[in-house]
Amino acid sequence: EAGVAQSPRYKIIEKRQSVAFWCNPISGHATLYWYQQILGQGPKLLIQFQNNGVVDDSQLPKDRFSAERLKGVDSTLKIQPAKLEDSAVYLCASSPAGFGVDQETQYFGPGTRLLVL
Amino acid sequence: AQSVTQLGSHVSVSEGALVLLRCNYSSSVPPYLFWYVQYPNQGLQLLLKYTSAATLVKGINGFEAEFKKSETSFHLTKPSAHMSDAAEYFCAVSVDSGNTPLVFGKGTRLSVIA
Repeated sequence: EAGVAQSPRYKIIEKRQSVAFWCNPISGHATLYWYQQILGQGPKLLIQFQNNGVVDDSQLPKDRFSAERLKGVDSTLKIQPAKLEDSAVYLCASSPAGFGVDQETQYFGPGTRLLVL
Repeated sequence: AQSVTQLGSHVSVSEGALVLLRCNYSSSVPPYLFWYVQYPNQGLQLLLKYTSAATLVKGINGFEAEFKKSETSFHLTKPSAHMSDAAEYFCAVSVDSGNTPLVFGKGTRLSVIA
């Protein structure tokens, strides 16, 4: 079974530029998460999708961050304009949904490492 | 709200020695608890999880953790460290079986000395 795919793996941009990250979850997983991991800290949730609907985006800085999951499969996270403090690893995770399945376990992709100069 | 505290940002052990990584949680409802491992430039890999069944949980690579409600702890142990265990370890909590976000601790970096 293929894991969670993310691209690009690395990105370097200058502040005020825009950037987009892509995530393809494990096939059949209805729930998708984006986490931000700043150096030296644990991951923190940015947004959670259930199929193509947003479940929780309370910690997403909506003035500059946006995310979508139009067909309930892959997802894109965008930052526009980027700030220096956005330098971090952006992790995508997915989990199955439905009663009786392993829905509490999140499977993580390799992450996208962003450096804002 | 839930929270996780990992005691010790860096733990160093000798190869073959006991590994003990500490995790305490705070939750107003029965928690689900997880340990993930992160190798350099990689994503997080699940080591083990507690989901209200047995309090002693065995995971991959010889790791295990014990849920102690009275101490609000979920410490990770391994009897004998191997060089390949050197990585960052994260403890996380969620409060529902149904697709709720994880709240992570700050992580503990494990170094293994030959």
